[in-house]
Amino acid sequence: DSGVTQTPKHLITATGQRVTLRCSPRSGDLSVYWYQQSLDQGLQFLIQYYNGEERAKGNILERFSAQQFPDLHSELNLSSLELGDSALYFCASSGIGKLEQFFGPGTRLTVL
Amino acid sequence: GQQLNQSPQSMFIQEGEDVSMNCTSSSIFNTWLWYKQEPGEGPVLLIALYKAGELTSNGRLTAQFGITRKDSFLNISASIPSDVGIYFCAGRATDSWGKLQFGAGTQVVVTP
Repeated sequence: DSGVTQTPKHLITATGQRVTLRCSPRSGDLSVYWYQQSLDQGLQFLIQYYNGEERAKGNILERFSAQQFPDLHSELNLSSLELGDSALYFCASSGIGKLEQFFGPGTRLTVL
Repeated sequence: GQQLNQSPQSMFIQEGEDVSMNCTSSSIFNTWLWYKQEPGEGPVLLIALYKAGELTSNGRLTAQFGITRKDSFLNISASIPSDVGIYFCAGRATDSWGKLQFGAGTQVVVTP
């Protein structure tokens, strides 16, 4: 158990809908990262937050957004969902001054 | 897309054999991490490397940070069935704050 929690574990929805994925980092970690993992793309970095502020952006679509709250939990919002958004979404966290990222168990999103 | 080249893509080995895999990059990295992912789970950190030439072991796993700072290697000695999974390398470029790039993964299958 990495100490990173994600909910829900599974999510099934329809095209055009909007969903919110939630992540709680390890206790004391200020950085949260979001990744998308699909079969043909591997692990793709989406976005990073550090203590509530956006720190780095990867290949995140404009339909996707994220935020980190004062209690350090983070949410990834996916809107106008398309079939191709079906994937595993992972959250990771790292400690202050640490480079190692610890991953949560992921949310499997299925868009029908 | 992926910016790290990880090879081989998959390996089918017999229990007791050694396994070697590597990652190469066109950029200079200051950090290399190796993760293992089992089906339905998030990646689990195995080994972290921070200095060129560094050789680090974790049980039967040994990883090295290449001298050129553009590659890393992971070896698994005397494989056992529970070594099955996908092994990912991840690296951080010198100009990238916290952003990890991931290899496409090496799938390891161990047969008794």
